[in-house]
Amino acid sequence: DGGITQSPKYLFRKEGQNVTLSCEQNLNHDAMYWYRQDPGQGLRLIYYSQIVNDFQKGDIAEGYSVSREKKESFPLTVTSAQKNPTAFYLCASSSNAPGQGGTEAFFGQGTRLTVV
Amino acid sequence: QKEVEQNSGPLSVPEGAIASLNCTYSDRGSQSFFWYRQYSGKSPELIMFIYSNGDKEDGRFTAQLNKASQYVSLLIRDSQPSDSATYLCAVKWGFGNEKLTFGTGTRLTIIP
Repeated sequence: DGGITQSPKYLFRKEGQNVTLSCEQNLNHDAMYWYRQDPGQGLRLIYYSQIVNDFQKGDIAEGYSVSREKKESFPLTVTSAQKNPTAFYLCASSSNAPGQGGTEAFFGQGTRLTVV
Repeated sequence: QKEVEQNSGPLSVPEGAIASLNCTYSDRGSQSFFWYRQYSGKSPELIMFIYSNGDKEDGRFTAQLNKASQYVSLLIRDSQPSDSATYLCAVKWGFGNEKLTFGTGTRLTIIP
């Protein structure tokens, strides 16, 4: 089935450690996104990528890093520089096709990260 | 000024009534507008998208876009308890810049 897979679903990290969240899509989408969601809040954009080997900072990129070596994959690393990393992380992808349809974003099931 | 703004709610609506959700955006160059529904602890799912001024209807849902006023809304007719969720407005800034920005969401509760 086509879709977006995030792993793991739950992740625990000790303070001072880097962790990498996985995001894979088989929808042949060009654009991929990482969002962070805190309890009772909306989605805040961390990074996004429109093509392979290119990505842009979103609104809250500090303390995070990404790579886009393959069209299907957009992993997010939460570094020790991120002071408050406990949150729900969502990955999404969308087509860049212009026109009247096909540009909506589809989401993975999310990764809930907790710092212990 | 936030790029995408929504009334945070919560909004309570009796079952069977019309729920009205509103969203404003700051960039006149915005091209694409989306409404997502998110149940607690789950990822957002798309309800509707709209690109042109006017109304777009899909079942009980109607999206309305007014680019001159930089305003997009979602109407839910014959509201059901299963519509209780957080509704997120999202805006994409056109071709060549696929940045997709979300509002803070409006929490909707349908009262039986």
